[in-house]
Amino acid sequence: QLQLVESGGGVVQPGRSLRLSCAASGFTFGRYALHWIRQAPGKGLEWVAFISYDGNTEYFADSVKGRFTISRDNSKNTLYLQMTSLRAEDTAFYYCARDRGHDAPHFMDVWGKGTPVTVSS
Amino acid sequence: EIVLTQSPGTLSLSPGERATLSCRASQSVRSSYLAWYQQKPGQAPRLLVYGASSRATDIPDRFSGSGSGTDFTLTITRLEPEDFAVYYCQQYGNTPPLTFGQGTKVEIK
Repeated sequence: QLQLVESGGGVVQPGRSLRLSCAASGFTFGRYALHWIRQAPGKGLEWVAFISYDGNTEYFADSVKGRFTISRDNSKNTLYLQMTSLRAEDTAFYYCARDRGHDAPHFMDVWGKGTPVTVSS
Repeated sequence: EIVLTQSPGTLSLSPGERATLSCRASQSVRSSYLAWYQQKPGQAPRLLVYGASSRATDIPDRFSGSGSGTDFTLTITRLEPEDFAVYYCQQYGNTPPLTFGQGTKVEIK
């Protein structure tokens, strides 16, 4: 079945880095664009980043621009989020999600269960 | 950036009642590119509606979306126990960035 499984979350000190991964199965990974979305404790959903099916187009929320990078390895069916210069306000549950389309952001039709990131000293 | 404002913040209803959730955009959403998601505690969001009114796969027909321009509505005709959750709208007509509303919680009265 369609599945996205995030990993790599944890507790990290402010200013440090962390890399999240998202392993996909059950669909042709290389045909779909992907997103990272986060949810701070008790808060709503915040879109973080987008990458097109071929990795050639990327978009970021202003709150993470210049600190986070998104990438994908279509040979490994895996999406990544490299987070640097982490701040307390980056504390959240991070979800990866499949976009319905290929090369522009649309809506998300498959979601992973998420991985928690806590930025604290 | 399009700001989405959902109302009410909380909706207290009984099973079997009708729920009407609103999502208002700060500017017109191109091509009615608006989606709705349901999120239950401890779970990931689930896509309900896209394109303002198209139900996603396996979504019961008691869920329906409508609207265009700046005003959108999600209606649940007869609430089932499993429908009590938080609902988010999201626009994808004017991106980046993708934006979400702040959510409406549908709780049991």
